Amino acid sequence: DAKTTQPPSMDCAEGRAANLPCNHSTISGNEYVYWYRQIHSQGPQYIIHGLKNNETNEMASLIITEDRKSSTLILPHATLRDTAVYYCIVRVGYSGGGADGLTFGKGTHLIIQP
Amino acid sequence: DAGITQSPRHKVTETGTPVTLRCHQTENHRYMYWYRQDPGHGLRLIHYSYGVKDTDKGEVSDGYSVSRSKTEDFLLTLESATSSQTSVYFCAIRAFSGQSTDTQYFGPGTRLTVL
Repeated sequence: DAKTTQPPSMDCAEGRAANLPCNHSTISGNEYVYWYRQIHSQGPQYIIHGLKNNETNEMASLIITEDRKSSTLILPHATLRDTAVYYCIVRVGYSGGGADGLTFGKGTHLIIQP
Repeated sequence: DAGITQSPRHKVTETGTPVTLRCHQTENHRYMYWYRQDPGHGLRLIHYSYGVKDTDKGEVSDGYSVSRSKTEDFLLTLESATSSQTSVYFCAIRAFSGQSTDTQYFGPGTRLTVL
């Protein structure tokens, strides 16, 4: 799986959009970009994933650059409950079997300020 | 939350005692996983299961065993707990979305302390 680079920490004001960047310059054509977050003492929570088109769901939007070497996760109206560590992962889609364990890097600690 | 529960949520035990952690899912997913999470090491795969009675080792399986006698339950056993197994343990299931992607969903975790 390709490696990702994220800033270690970011601040965002409550109510504003939080934009979390991720660089994945070695991404392969069959690899997807996944985002998870982990709120303190809780299990990792899936947010969104995409291949090359922008994606949106009830939690967030994912913007992937045309060359797919970077992406941005957007939380449109951040709340205090969005304070968490956000992980960007690049991995092949369904491979048909095998362990396929997830590997999280250090992620970005997003702090929402009141 | 993909219908995943873990029990117990917290446990304190002594070195040398056996410990079993339970993961229960309600949505009939074939794949289930056990991870541990430690500061400085991130998330590491212990064991996984790809069906009833079908299990295999992950990255850090030494000292752990698993069993899956029915689809909904995946048990992780520490045969003789050691202090190095003090950790937070997460269970996950693998859900398939569309023709070529899948997503893992995690349980709430079990915090285990081995004294």
